Amino acid sequence: KNQVEQSPQSLIILEGKNCTLQCNYTVSPFSNLRWYKQDTGRGPVSLTIMTFSENTKSNGRYTATLDADTKQSSLHITASQLSDSASYICVVSANTGNQFYFGTGTSLTVIP
Amino acid sequence: EAQVTQNPRYLITVTGKKLTVTCSQNMNHEYMSWYRQDPGLGLRQIYYSMNVEVTDKGDVPEGYKVSRKEKRNFPLILESPSPNQTSLYFCASSLNVWGARGYTFGSGTRLTVV
Repeated sequence: KNQVEQSPQSLIILEGKNCTLQCNYTVSPFSNLRWYKQDTGRGPVSLTIMTFSENTKSNGRYTATLDADTKQSSLHITASQLSDSASYICVVSANTGNQFYFGTGTSLTVIP
Repeated sequence: EAQVTQNPRYLITVTGKKLTVTCSQNMNHEYMSWYRQDPGLGLRQIYYSMNVEVTDKGDVPEGYKVSRKEKRNFPLILESPSPNQTSLYFCASSLNVWGARGYTFGSGTRLTVV
């Protein structure tokens, strides 16, 4: 069964600290993996998109990694800011049919 | 600006009163989809459309209808809303179903059915 699992479910960190969010998937055949940031009550906004051949991609303080062999991805946030407080969603798409698979997200809270 | 526009942003209605949530994209995308988001459940797909006049059910289609008469518009219709349809709804679009060039979400519609 195609699934996307994220961990941890929630995370609280101090401002300025780094953190890493995890995404494990069983989606096959794999097309691409995205990380989205969703502020409370708003639509998800894309942070990175990675295809099979890419294993690292950065967007400012956000760095995503992908290990297509182990079907794992991580999102590393460097020097966190209060504005990083949001839900981070991992979305994996398959190469067949209507196939976007969503994780349930990691809720990140950055405190001063 | 390339975007997906949903309206309204907030809606409170009574049980059984038909309503439509509109969704429009200006990116000439073929693929459009509706999701609902509930606490602890993440985003769940309601309906999707591969192209004009091509629609299909997602994971939670009961109580909803959609239409795709034009490429840019993909309205979500609740013929007889019930309180269990109180949720946050998102429309999204992509160039195609594989979304290699991105998958764009609207800002959301918060629906309350009383």
